Amino acid sequence: EVQLVESGGGLVKPGGSLRLSCVGSEFTFSSYTMTWVRQAPGKGLEWVSSISSSSGYIYYADSVRGRFTISRDNAKNSLFLQMDSLRAEDTALYYCARRYIDGFDIWGQGTMVTVSS
Amino acid sequence: QSALTQPPSASGTPGQRVAISCSGSSSNIGSRTVNWYQQLPGSAPKVLIFSNNQRPSGVPDRFSGSKSGTSASLAISGLQSEDEAEYYCAAWDDSLDGWVFGGGTKLTVL
Repeated sequence: EVQLVESGGGLVKPGGSLRLSCVGSEFTFSSYTMTWVRQAPGKGLEWVSSISSSSGYIYYADSVRGRFTISRDNAKNSLFLQMDSLRAEDTALYYCARRYIDGFDIWGQGTMVTVSS
Repeated sequence: QSALTQPPSASGTPGQRVAISCSGSSSNIGSRTVNWYQQLPGSAPKVLIFSNNQRPSGVPDRFSGSKSGTSASLAISGLQSEDEAEYYCAAWDDSLDGWVFGGGTKLTVL
């Protein structure tokens, strides 16, 4: 079954760092643009960052640019999100998603990040 | 405030047809294609519509999408209780160089 599995979430203090991971299986991971989307508790979806298949193109939302870094390791079918200088407003469930045509066809189950003192 | 505007709620009775609107601008819906997602409570989003009006395999033909100018719409016909969920529109935004989502519409089946 084609799937994405996120990990690395947790509780962190404001100003702290966290690294999220997402592993893909049963598809050619290296062929797809990958994306992180987050959802704050009780709120809607917010796009965070995207990275092209060979890491040649990287995009960030204004809300995280300069603090978050997206990367991937195609040899390990893995996507990463390094999150630094975390703020309370970064508290959310973080999903990784596979880009397909003009949208996202496969989503993980999400990993929760809580920023609180 | 989301770049794409959706009504916060919609409702209908079983068997009815409901439509959910999504309003954007020339930098997103006006120049790009729209996709729609369904999110059931406690679950990850699921894509319903690609490229304005294309359904992935497995999505019932009760779901349909359309686009005109800077607005898009998701229609659900033959409403069923299992359609009760949150629905989101999304598109790439050329000005922001990123994806934008609507704020979501909570659909209630009465």
